[in-house]
Amino acid sequence: KAGVTQTPRYLIKTRGQQVTLSCSPISGHRSVSWYQQTPGQGLQFLFEYFSETQRNKGNFPGRFSGRQFSNSRSEMNVSTLELGDSALYLCASFRPGVVNTEAFFGQGTRLTVV
Amino acid sequence: KQEVTQIPAALSVPEGENLVLNCSFTDSAIYNLQWFRQDPGKGLTSLLLIQSSQREQTSGRLNASLDKSSGRSTLYIAASQPGDSATYLCALKPYMEYGNKLVFGAGTILRVKS
Repeated sequence: KAGVTQTPRYLIKTRGQQVTLSCSPISGHRSVSWYQQTPGQGLQFLFEYFSETQRNKGNFPGRFSGRQFSNSRSEMNVSTLELGDSALYLCASFRPGVVNTEAFFGQGTRLTVV
Repeated sequence: KQEVTQIPAALSVPEGENLVLNCSFTDSAIYNLQWFRQDPGKGLTSLLLIQSSQREQTSGRLNASLDKSSGRSTLYIAASQPGDSATYLCALKPYMEYGNKLVFGAGTILRVKS
């Protein structure tokens, strides 16, 4: 059974550019969450999508956005990149269930903004 | 606001030792708590999931316990091996958050010396 797949694995972008990251959840999983991981702040929740709808959002500026497609694949977009956006971006998919569900993470996308 | 603390921040032990990693949280209103392992620059690997109604879970040399009344979880690793060297993270799902948002601790960096 394939795990959570994130592409690309590495990205280098210039300040001011925009970037799109992709996450394909485990087959059958409909909930996808995104996290930003930095040495200073640790893992911080960005947003969650379920059945193509955003159902929770963290405290990030509007430059961070996302969407989910009908096949549950999700993308996140960061516009007007800043140096501080350099981080490991992780996505998680959740086994179907009510609330007591297990999270499975992808390998992450390492974004470097120069 | 739920806060999660992991102690110690770093730990170095000789191979073969049994060890305990600690995770404490400020609000006992949680659905579950999950322990993860993260190798440098990689994604998170799920180790154990404990539901709020459970006291412990075991997988191989790993045992995790949960005491909601005291706001604590521990991860016990028996007979540690150099391959156990990684960062260990705990994360919980609070009642007060909609959907599958997880709140993470900062992690414990474990080094097992051969």
